[in-house]
Amino acid sequence: QLQLQESGSGLVKPSQTLSLTCAVSGGSIASGSHSWSWIRQPPGKGLESIGTIHQSGSTYYNPSLKSRVSISMDRAKNRFSLNLTSVTATDTAVYYCARTSVGYSVLDVWGPGTTVTVSS
Amino acid sequence: DIPVTQSPSSLSASVGDRVSITCRAAETISTYLNWYQQKSGRAPRLLIYGSSSLQSGVPSRFSGRGSGTEFTLTISGVQPEDFATYYCQQTYSSPGTFGQGTRLETK
Repeated sequence: QLQLQESGSGLVKPSQTLSLTCAVSGGSIASGSHSWSWIRQPPGKGLESIGTIHQSGSTYYNPSLKSRVSISMDRAKNRFSLNLTSVTATDTAVYYCARTSVGYSVLDVWGPGTTVTVSS
Repeated sequence: DIPVTQSPSSLSASVGDRVSITCRAAETISTYLNWYQQKSGRAPRLLIYGSSSLQSGVPSRFSGRGSGTEFTLTISGVQPEDFATYYCQQTYSSPGTFGQGTRLETK
């Protein structure tokens, strides 16, 4: 079945760029009409949508992060990536990747999450 | 953004109880309301989408209802594995926004 797995740097210095990748297995990110999303959860807090990339390559970013976020897709490697620039301590969180299904845009398959800490 | 507000923020229950969680949207969102369950240290799991449709593999004791601005998630007969945090999410407009969560605890 479809599985997602996040990877990337777990510790990032303030003002630097956070980079994460989500590897997709058991299905192709380029098939169907799904989108692929990033969500984050600061310690002890709730969930926040970061952005989404459609299999066509079009993107949508949360306006609160738009100036710092980019999401890209590598169809050949069946993965998608997140870059978040100029990070601060408030970007410390568990970062999840997820598949977004058509219709109600639900996040129906999630990766296990990866913890990113912003600290010098 | 369309803010969504969940209540209560925490809830105590015993095994076998029937419990309900409410989610209110700041403006009408039709039935674009989804529910997720999150256990400690784990990724969220989709339970209900489109206000009332049960995700495949989710037990039938979970149900959802509502439209417009008010929605309810009900667990009919809480089981030990149901003690977790529950989030609603509106996907009527982007970005999809989540409620602040409701923690279901053992009484």
